[in-house]
Amino acid sequence: AQKVTQAQTEISVVEKEDVTLDCVYETRDTTYYLFWYKQPPSGELVFLIRRNSFDEQNEISGRYSWNFQKSTSSFNFTITASQVVDSAVYFCALSPAGGTSYGKLTFGQGTILTVHP
Amino acid sequence: DGGITQSPKYLFRKEGQNVTLSCEQNLNHDAMYWYRQDPGQGLRLIYYSQIVNDFQKGDIAEGYSVSREKKESFPLTVTSAQKNPTAFYLCASSIGRVKGNEQFFGPGTRLTVL
Repeated sequence: AQKVTQAQTEISVVEKEDVTLDCVYETRDTTYYLFWYKQPPSGELVFLIRRNSFDEQNEISGRYSWNFQKSTSSFNFTITASQVVDSAVYFCALSPAGGTSYGKLTFGQGTILTVHP
Repeated sequence: DGGITQSPKYLFRKEGQNVTLSCEQNLNHDAMYWYRQDPGQGLRLIYYSQIVNDFQKGDIAEGYSVSREKKESFPLTVTSAQKNPTAFYLCASSIGRVKGNEQFFGPGTRLTVL
């Protein structure tokens, strides 16, 4: 069985602060994918990133960066110099890379990020 | 414009009635998914379909039914057997059995049972 845990239910920061959202996962699959999604107040989930289990290289995209550590089963997400528009619910998710459950996403509970001006 | 549309945005239903939520995509994706989101919680998979005329139960399929007669469409019926149907329902699609398989989501339908 797969499980994704986002320990932080809510985070509140002031604009321009850096913030890290934690994600820890459990899976028996040897190959899998990890994802981060953003859910703004409108409700629609927006895809941010996909990471393959065999690629532990960290990734940076503008103010966003992701730290994948297979040894600790973690896939943390950092926003640098946060902005009010970053306020949203952020979800970490996990999917097998093969087998009959291919494509099935298991989501964490989500972290509500509020950035104050 | 390619994307996923869900209708209606808000839906009200009386207890004991079945209701069907629409999901259409023009992304030429093979796979489609239905999720349920309750306040303060993550998404839970109801049903998914990797190909036309085939679908599988997700983690919380009881009280729901789906069909996949066309590649573009994956309607979800919430039946009267679903004990607690008030929730936010999200439809998603993905390319299918291709490396990566990230899912793209529609705007959602908020269902309220009166």
